[in-house]
Amino acid sequence: AQKITQTQPGMFVQEKEAVTLDCTYDTSDPSYGLFWYKQPSSGEMIFLIYQGSYDQQNATEGRYSLNFQKARKSANLVISASQLGDSAMYFCAMRAYNNNDMRFGAGTRLTVKP
Amino acid sequence: NAGVTQTPKFRILKIGQSMTLQCTQDMNHNYMYWYRQDPGMGLKLIYYSVGAGITDKGEVPNGYNVSRSTTEDFPLRLELAAPSQTSVYFCASSYEPTLSSYNEQFFGPGTRLTVL
Repeated sequence: AQKITQTQPGMFVQEKEAVTLDCTYDTSDPSYGLFWYKQPSSGEMIFLIYQGSYDQQNATEGRYSLNFQKARKSANLVISASQLGDSAMYFCAMRAYNNNDMRFGAGTRLTVKP
Repeated sequence: NAGVTQTPKFRILKIGQSMTLQCTQDMNHNYMYWYRQDPGMGLKLIYYSVGAGITDKGEVPNGYNVSRSTTEDFPLRLELAAPSQTSVYFCASSYEPTLSSYNEQFFGPGTRLTVL
């Protein structure tokens, strides 16, 4: 069975600094995808970034990058130059390609301080 | 495009009542999903569908039923509501996932359900 673990219930970062949100996963499937979603206080789920298990390079999307370490089964999200609008819950998720069960971690609440 | 729409936005049910949460998408996605999010937790998959007429259970299907008669609609039925079903319910849709394309899931705004 797939499992996603986010060990940081809450994180604080100073505006304009970088922050890393941790995510580890467990799966026996060789083919899988890793996702990060942002959930602001308004409640909607916003897709941020994706990493495929066979991708050779770490994914980047603007200020978001994914530090993918396959051997360690970790997929940490790095947010550079934090902004006040980055304050939100962040969820790591994984989906194996031989099934349709998307598993989410418990989330990390990020607070950006001015 | 409206994307994924859900109705109602909020609902309060009494124990034992039933209701249907509506979900519609206009992106011609084959795959649709229902999740629940309990307070302070991540999302858990209730049911999903890979196309009209095909549905399957996710991680937490007990107490729920779904149907998929059209590509656009994927309603979630709660029978005999219980306090444990108090949660926020999200519907999502996507194209078929492949190795070469991540095909992200697009989420609706959610339905906040309280069972008293």
